[in-house]
Amino acid sequence: DAGITQSPRYKITETGRQVTLMCHQTWSHSYMFWYRQDLGHGLRLIYYSAAADITDKGEVPDGYVVSRSKTENFPLTLESATRSQTSVYFCASRNQGGNYGYTFGSGTRLTVV
Amino acid sequence: AQSVTQLGSHVSVSEGALVLLRCNYSSSVPPYLFWYVQYPNQGLQLLLKYTTGATLVKGINGFEAEFKKSETSFHLTKPSAHMSDAAEYFCAVSRNSGNTPLVFGKGTRLSVIA
Repeated sequence: DAGITQSPRYKITETGRQVTLMCHQTWSHSYMFWYRQDLGHGLRLIYYSAAADITDKGEVPDGYVVSRSKTENFPLTLESATRSQTSVYFCASRNQGGNYGYTFGSGTRLTVV
Repeated sequence: AQSVTQLGSHVSVSEGALVLLRCNYSSSVPPYLFWYVQYPNQGLQLLLKYTTGATLVKGINGFEAEFKKSETSFHLTKPSAHMSDAAEYFCAVSRNSGNTPLVFGKGTRLSVIA
């Protein structure tokens, strides 16, 4: 199916564990983004990527790692999960050109215990 | 740098009443402006956007917004609220040149009372 998919939809992990959130898009969009959504903070940018092998930090990158070896995939890894990383994570993509809106995935709800 | 302020974290209206969600932006360069809607347990969906041209922008589900440069505002309106409009609404801004990421406001939760 065409679109942007995130997996898993829900994840519970323990403090200190590494966890990877997956994001896959089928449009070959140039840009991909990871945001986290927290009550009272709205959406905050973690990392983004302009193309394969090109990534850049957003507002809240600490504790996260990204890679983009293929245009369609943009995984987000929490190297050593902390409780403060409990959040809903959204992946988004758009094509080249800032006048395009983003298309969002359905989100991953991550709980760190 | 761009920023967005959404006035009111929660707005409540009666069914059939006017919906007005406020958004003010800060940008040192001409902006692109967006409104997104998020229904419970879902991702964000684009409602409408202003990039260039007409300052009154119409979107999906009967919503519209007007870009007012002098007031640095991009308020979202709908003449008559429907129960299905209950959701979280986010205003977002980016530069109109280059490919900078969107900066989102903190969101406004809209409740519609029968």
